[in-house]
Amino acid sequence: KNEVEQSPQNLTAQEGEFITINCSYSVGISALHWLQQHPGGGIVSLFMLSSGKKKHGRLIATINIQEKHSSLHITASHPRDSAVYICAVKPFGNEKLTFGTGTRLTIIP
Amino acid sequence: DTAVSQTPKYLVTQMGNDKSIKCEQNLGHDTMYWYKQDSKKFLKIMFSYNNKELIINETVPNRFSPKSPDKAHLNLHINSLELGDSAVYFCASSQVNLAGGFQETQYFGPGTRLLVL
Repeated sequence: KNEVEQSPQNLTAQEGEFITINCSYSVGISALHWLQQHPGGGIVSLFMLSSGKKKHGRLIATINIQEKHSSLHITASHPRDSAVYICAVKPFGNEKLTFGTGTRLTIIP
Repeated sequence: DTAVSQTPKYLVTQMGNDKSIKCEQNLGHDTMYWYKQDSKKFLKIMFSYNNKELIINETVPNRFSPKSPDKAHLNLHINSLELGDSAVYFCASSQVNLAGGFQETQYFGPGTRLLVL
């Protein structure tokens, strides 16, 4: 079982819908990252968080350390949000990131 | 200006060949990484260097040898290429204070798509 699980694996929604992608992990962590991989392959770091909530434009990331769970929300979704969203965690005492398998999001106009 | 750049972007080669992928970052970061993304799009770390010193060395075949001539560059050399080496290889960089445990956002390069025939 992977240390980092994401759900759903695939998500298709209509433009304008509110999107939630979930990430659960099984180890104690010092940080959690949300990444976006564009259809062309490029990877962009969206958020790094260790507690609470962060917001950037239409994107919101939350984390609950006690429950070992994080969510990525997209408000007013747009076709350009179509991408693979990847959750990655940095376990305590470990310098490497462990990645989830990603959630493929498709927003239909 | 490109923050993290990789060359080449595409690499098609025959089994048994030796090839190198270069990575450069102009962000002034002191830590660089190599990741492999397999056909199922699963990212996995291979190596990490901090100030030219190896700090993460995952279980990869010793045909893969990273080289960091300075902290702005981390190159990946692969000997005796095999079919299973076909993947996308991503370089990344970040500013990490190992003593203080402070982790910064990682910036990724555009990826190098390697196809071994």
